[in-house]
Amino acid sequence: GESVGLHLPTLSVQEGDNSIINCAYSNSASDYFIWYKQESGKGPQFIIDIRSNMDKRQGQRVTVLLNKTVKHLSLQIAATQPGDSAVYFCAEKETSGSRLTFGEGTQLTVNP
Amino acid sequence: SQTIHQWPATLVQPVGSPLSLECTVEGTSNPNLYWYRQAAGRGLQLLFYSVGIGQISSEVPQNLSASRPQDRQFILSSKKLLLSDSGFYLCAWSVWDSGVYGYTFGSGTRLTVV
Repeated sequence: GESVGLHLPTLSVQEGDNSIINCAYSNSASDYFIWYKQESGKGPQFIIDIRSNMDKRQGQRVTVLLNKTVKHLSLQIAATQPGDSAVYFCAEKETSGSRLTFGEGTQLTVNP
Repeated sequence: SQTIHQWPATLVQPVGSPLSLECTVEGTSNPNLYWYRQAAGRGLQLLFYSVGIGQISSEVPQNLSASRPQDRQFILSSKKLLLSDSGFYLCAWSVWDSGVYGYTFGSGTRLTVV
């Protein structure tokens, strides 16, 4: 469910390192997952998505991994850059629905 | 192309004053529409969603209301603002288009109640 009352967990990495942001989901009926990036003062922006019939999908510098057995989703960012500093949200959608359920978000800080 | 417009970008309102935030969508028809609120350093809280004109579902009982007078217009309102209504308000739409699911956010409105 939504953890809107909690402070966001944080991840701090050095520029050039790879980043891994994790997300646990609870609904085994979810068939579609999205990662969003939210920069300060802006709305969340779509990064990458994956359907439940896949376990890996790659984009430009980003890879999403889905482990349905343990209901775990991860976002890997290669060669992290200062512009990657933002809050990252995972989201899941049920097969029968159209609404997304968002994770708590992770604040990624990239140190130069 | 499909776009979502949300305004104003920032708003400072006194306690007890009314509120009206507007969101419009272009390039799609019969979208589902959503209003979220986000406190500083927090996650996304779903306030209202709508599956059609005049159809509003409230997720959290509070000082706010929503209306959908047209297919691609979603309005968030309050008759009397409270200090606790301050936050970042986001509109979003979702739609199935040729078998592809899309869920897009607007740019947000920063509301400060003083």
